[in-house]
Amino acid sequence: GEDVEQSLFLSVREGDSSVINCTYTDSSSTYLYWYKQEPGAGLQLLTYIFSNMDMKQDQRLTVLLNKKDKHLSLRIADTQTGDSAIYFCAESKSSASKIIFGSGTRLSIRP
Amino acid sequence: GAGVSQSPSNKVTEKGKDVELRCDPISGHTALYWYRQSLGQGLEFLIYFQGNSAPDKSGLPSDRFSAERTGGSVSTLTIQRTQQEDSAVYLCASSDRLAGGLEQYFGPGTRLTVT
Repeated sequence: GEDVEQSLFLSVREGDSSVINCTYTDSSSTYLYWYKQEPGAGLQLLTYIFSNMDMKQDQRLTVLLNKKDKHLSLRIADTQTGDSAIYFCAESKSSASKIIFGSGTRLSIRP
Repeated sequence: GAGVSQSPSNKVTEKGKDVELRCDPISGHTALYWYRQSLGQGLEFLIYFQGNSAPDKSGLPSDRFSAERTGGSVSTLTIQRTQQEDSAVYLCASSDRLAGGLEQYFGPGTRLTVT
C-alpha cells in the first residue's frame, strides 16, 4: 500500500539545524517531495529528489534519501523564524500522477 | 501570471445540502488534481484530470462526490447530500504535464464547513 509517515511536531532553536524525518512504504515511488505550508498560505513545493539519488542540496536545504530503508529527511541549516511552517513529505510514482502526502510536521522556532 | 484560484474561499452549508467547489488552474496546465485536507491531517488525493478526462478517481470517498472538467480548464467538485465528515479544506492543484509535470501548483483552497 501507499503510506507516508512523519512526526507531528519539531521545535528547534533559532540558528540551529532542523531535521525532519519521513518514512514511506511504496518501493515503486519515483519522486519524493518536501512541501511547505505556511499559515494562511497555499502549499508550496520546497524541493524534490528522484529515487535514484541519495542526496540533494539546495542552499540551506539538504535532502537525504535512504531507498533501502525508505527513509527521507529534510535538513534546514541555520533555521530562521521564517521557517516556521508545516512541512509535508510526499511521494509519487511518476511526474503528473497523484501525490501521496504525510500528515505534516509542524516546525516551531524558539528564540 | 495568475496562479491556481479556487472559489469560494469559505463555504458553510447545512447537512444534507449539495455544494459545488470551483477550481481555475494555471492557464495551459493540462493536469488538474483535487485533494482534501482534514483538520490536523495530511492531504488526501481525490481525483486527477488529464484534459477533460479523469484517469484516476480512486480517491473519491463515496458516490456523493463527483467532479468534472470542461474545456481542459475549469473544474468543479460537487458534493451531494453533505455530511459533517465532509468538513475539510479542499485543495486544487495543476501541473504542466507537457513540461514534465513534476511540480503541482496548489490553490489557496476552499474551507468547507458542514453544520
